[in-house]
Amino acid sequence: EPEVTQTPSHQVTQMGQEVILRCVPISNHLYFYWYRQILGQKVEFLVSFYNNEISEKSEIFDDQFSVERPDGSNFTLKIRSTKLEDSAMYFCASSEGSSPWEQYFGPGTRLTVT
Amino acid sequence: GNSVTQMEGPVTLSEEAFLTINCTYTATGYPSLFWYVQYPGEGLQLLLKATKADDKGSNKGFEATYRKETTSFHLEKGSVQVSDSAVYFCALRTGTASKLTFGTGTRLQVTL
Repeated sequence: EPEVTQTPSHQVTQMGQEVILRCVPISNHLYFYWYRQILGQKVEFLVSFYNNEISEKSEIFDDQFSVERPDGSNFTLKIRSTKLEDSAMYFCASSEGSSPWEQYFGPGTRLTVT
Repeated sequence: GNSVTQMEGPVTLSEEAFLTINCTYTATGYPSLFWYVQYPGEGLQLLLKATKADDKGSNKGFEATYRKETTSFHLEKGSVQVSDSAVYFCALRTGTASKLTFGTGTRLQVTL
């Protein structure tokens, strides 16, 4: 069964460094998402992406964040200058279409900022 | 804005026990409601959903009924198994927006 994959599973970085989290969505899906979960808190929506542009973003998704689909298979989340509060589990998801299509999630990347 | 509140875990049950995980929500408009499950090392998987009031979603022995009057979508299973041990997330989506609003997740541990 097709699945969303994410790399790395765990990333440790120093405050102020740039990180890129990678995701490979399901191949025929057209909508892509990033969510995050800070330890002990709710899973929060960050951004959705369709047709090579952001379709929706939350207030969390500020200028420090960017997303890109650099080729036909990868979908990346970049954090330009990481802060301690960016430490979280980051989930990528994809879907064939917008609502009400089901979103399929990857296993997550745990980002630790020290 | 939209929000989801779940009962805190962890929930520890013996095999064959009855499970209830409470979920209540606040939403503008008429949301669709979901339960997702995350098994260790895997992504969140859709477990069941309901799109309108009084709908009952069901899958793998789990059920949840969309209760508009109490703004709730509690997850139940009559007899849990060790293989049900996972984290369960309640979520909602409103209108044509694609983003999901999640609760904090409830960890379920089932023992023999």
